[in-house]
Amino acid sequence: SAVISQKPSRDICQRGTSLTIQCQVDSQVTMMFWYRQQPGQSLTLIATANQGSEATYESGFVIDKFPISRPNLTFSTLTVSNMSPEDSSIYLCSVEGWETGTQYFGPGTRLTVL
Amino acid sequence: QKEVEQNSGPLSVPEGAIASLNCTYSDRGSQSFFWYRQYSGKSPELIMFIYSNGDKEDGRFTAQLNKASQYVSLLIRDSQPSDSATYLCAVKNYGQNFVFGPGTRLSVLP
Repeated sequence: SAVISQKPSRDICQRGTSLTIQCQVDSQVTMMFWYRQQPGQSLTLIATANQGSEATYESGFVIDKFPISRPNLTFSTLTVSNMSPEDSSIYLCSVEGWETGTQYFGPGTRLTVL
Repeated sequence: QKEVEQNSGPLSVPEGAIASLNCTYSDRGSQSFFWYRQYSGKSPELIMFIYSNGDKEDGRFTAQLNKASQYVSLLIRDSQPSDSATYLCAVKNYGQNFVFGPGTRLSVLP
């Protein structure tokens, strides 16, 4: 399985500001995903980060709010823009293992918006 | 809309007992099935995946799949307090994204 790191691990931000979360993988992967997990809830897919093209967003998530970059096959960023307290959540990146189709998760970024 | 359902729990079992976690899914075309364990404050970690009907065993864990009934389960034998966590069921159809269930919280009592 891939080794995935995320930065920052946690942050406390003020309303109206933006935060960029980084995801780094130790091997080249085709598919990278960004999820949100609100307190006590399951995982909700925000978008699929595609290398060389725009991200594919799920219903309810838009590029203006969650811009994503994927400059190469080992790195992606998710920005949470114009934050409100409702954005307080854990944000997780994941990659898909090509051998088994499983998904492996990074350690997550715990975001609190005041 | 594709759905994955799980009992939210908490499911409490005594140490040494068998814990049985259940999951149903709505997309009959689903082909891959996964169980993840998530400790509080941590990210999900893969326990097992299963593709074919029947049982698949890995140590104390057994995944069971019945595609006709659209049902997948996870059995944990000889449950330990360290197994206390939330267990997420995930389902995937070919070329489509994972769909995660809400998770079942398991508590193993010493």
